[in-house]
Amino acid sequence: DAGITQSPRHKVTETGTPVTLRCHQTENHRYMYWYRQDPGHGLRLIHYSYGVKDTDKGEVSDGYSVSRSKTEDFLLTLESATSSQTSVYFCAIGQRSGDTGELFFGEGSRLTVL
Amino acid sequence: KQEVTQIPAALSVPEGENLVLNCSFTDSAIYNLQWFRQDPGKGLTSLLLIQSSQREQTSGRLNASLDKSSGRSTLYIAASQPGDSATYLCAVSARQLTFGSGTQLTVLP
Repeated sequence: DAGITQSPRHKVTETGTPVTLRCHQTENHRYMYWYRQDPGHGLRLIHYSYGVKDTDKGEVSDGYSVSRSKTEDFLLTLESATSSQTSVYFCAIGQRSGDTGELFFGEGSRLTVL
Repeated sequence: KQEVTQIPAALSVPEGENLVLNCSFTDSAIYNLQWFRQDPGKGLTSLLLIQSSQREQTSGRLNASLDKSSGRSTLYIAASQPGDSATYLCAVSARQLTFGSGTQLTVLP
């Protein structure tokens, strides 16, 4: 299995509170991605990173920010969580972009916003 | 905008049956197509990656084909087993990865 660790795996929080999800990889892959998975919507890209301090928006980036200060860590922050951000969040890593090559996924972080 | 459709949404078969899962996409300008497996409460596991220049890829009992011109891919599972029960997702790559909603497969013992 690709060395991807997501934390926390489960979190319950209240509306308006900040939340940070962490993705840690041991594969030294250049590209890292955050997706959310919701019933009826499948997997949707939130943000991605193509190197340290290099990030870009995905399809559903509103309300989310990311940071990547080290190759191995990619953080997803919800500045002020809303109930619509209740979801399962997946981190993925890959070696290439455009032609994304093979992507490897973490186990997911289940977030509930009350 | 790329759209990826997987039909059927759910499939139930008896153990030992050969089966085909379908994936279609609207924009044929893709780099590759990837099939994933997702078990309940788990992440996605990559099964097969087909480059746009390839027609098929095989891994064990799995065979995936790609027809770019018609915007279709199939995942063939031979001699299905209860352990194959999971949701199977396809995703196409064209700048970003676009996922289908998946086919939930149940293999009955």
